[in-house]
Formats: sequence, structure tokens, C-alpha cells
Amino acid sequence: KQEVTQIPAALSVPEGENLVLNCSFTDSAIYNLQWFRQDPGKGLTSLLLIQSSQREQTSGRLNASLDKSSGRSTLYIAASQPGDSATYLCAVRDGAQKLVFGQGTRLTINP
Amino acid sequence: EAGVAQSPRYKIIEKRQSVAFWCNPISGHATLYWYQQILGQGPKLLIQFQNNGVVDDSQLPKDRFSAERLKGVDSTLKIQPAKLEDSAVYLCASSLVRGRGNTIYFGEGSWLTVV
Repeated sequence: KQEVTQIPAALSVPEGENLVLNCSFTDSAIYNLQWFRQDPGKGLTSLLLIQSSQREQTSGRLNASLDKSSGRSTLYIAASQPGDSATYLCAVRDGAQKLVFGQGTRLTINP
Repeated sequence: EAGVAQSPRYKIIEKRQSVAFWCNPISGHATLYWYQQILGQGPKLLIQFQNNGVVDDSQLPKDRFSAERLKGVDSTLKIQPAKLEDSAVYLCASSLVRGRGNTIYFGEGSWLTVV
């Protein structure tokens, strides 16, 4: 059974810092990995999707990497802004085509 | 392009009552998902449809939860009777096809409180 873990559960940093969020998964047989953002009281917004054959994806200030063999992904946020404050979730699509989520990292950017 | 629509956004019911949530996916999306997200946790898949057929309902508590997707478009998730532990956000999502490369799009969720 696929299990996804995100560390840390919460993170608070001053504005302008670069930061890294971590995601690990137990079964390396995945199709892809997706990073989402969730604002309070809102649904999930897709940020980046990395196929199993890819090593990284970039969108603006965000960069996601994938190391399938070690079961790890990182989300790098450059030059953080208060508007980046949200919960970030990673999810892997497993062999049964099911999307399995981590519990999320709650990020707070302090002005 | 319109996103995934869900209603109602908020619902408060007493335990043992019933509730139904409705979802309208993005036009043309064949795959529809219902997720349950308990506060502080990641979403958990309840049921996945491909068109109007069920692909995966292994984590759906079938003694109290039911879902249908008539005509392969809209879907309804019902809980009857509700328990206190059903208090959660119910997220509907859709994707173009059931495939490895497709992004999943989520609605804003239906927030259920059972008292």
C-alpha cells in the first residue's frame, strides 16, 4: 500500500527566503507526482505535475524535483512572498491509477 | 473554461440524518473523483468514476455512503445515516481521461459538519 509523507507539517519563514518542502513515498512504482496548493476554505489548485520519467518541472518561482528510486520529491519556492502562505500537498498516482496524498505542509510567510 | 462545480458549499446536520452533495465536472472530463478530507489530513479517495462506471470504490464506507454518476456527467455523493466522524470536506475532482499524464482539477469542496 502506497504511503505518502510530508515533512515538515508546518513551516514559518520570513518573506524573501528560499525554501524547500519535502515529500516521500513508499512505493517507487508511480506514474506521476503532483504538487497542489490549498488555501483556507478552498479546494486544491494544481501547481506542478512530474511524470515518472522526468526529474523536475518548473513554473515561475516553483521547482519540483522527483527521485523515483529513492521515493522522494521536493518543492522549491524561490524568493517567498506572503501570498505563498497556504498548505502544500503532494500526491502520487500509483499503479492502480489512484491519487494518494500526503498530509500536507502548512506554510506561513511572514512579512 | 468553467471549473469543477460543487454544491452545497456548507452543510450542518445532526447525526443519523442524511445529506447529499452534487458535483458538475469540467466539460468533457471523463474521470470524476470524490475525496474526503478531514481537518489537518490529506484527501482520501472515496470513489472514482470513468464515464458512468465505477473504477475504484475500495475506500467508500458502503454501509452509509453511496455515489452515482448518471449519464457520465454530474455526480451525487450521499451519506445516510451520518456519523460525527463524517465531518469533513468532500472534494470533487475531474480529469480528462483516466491516464498517467493528466492533471486532476478540484472543486472548492462541500464542508460538512455533523453535530
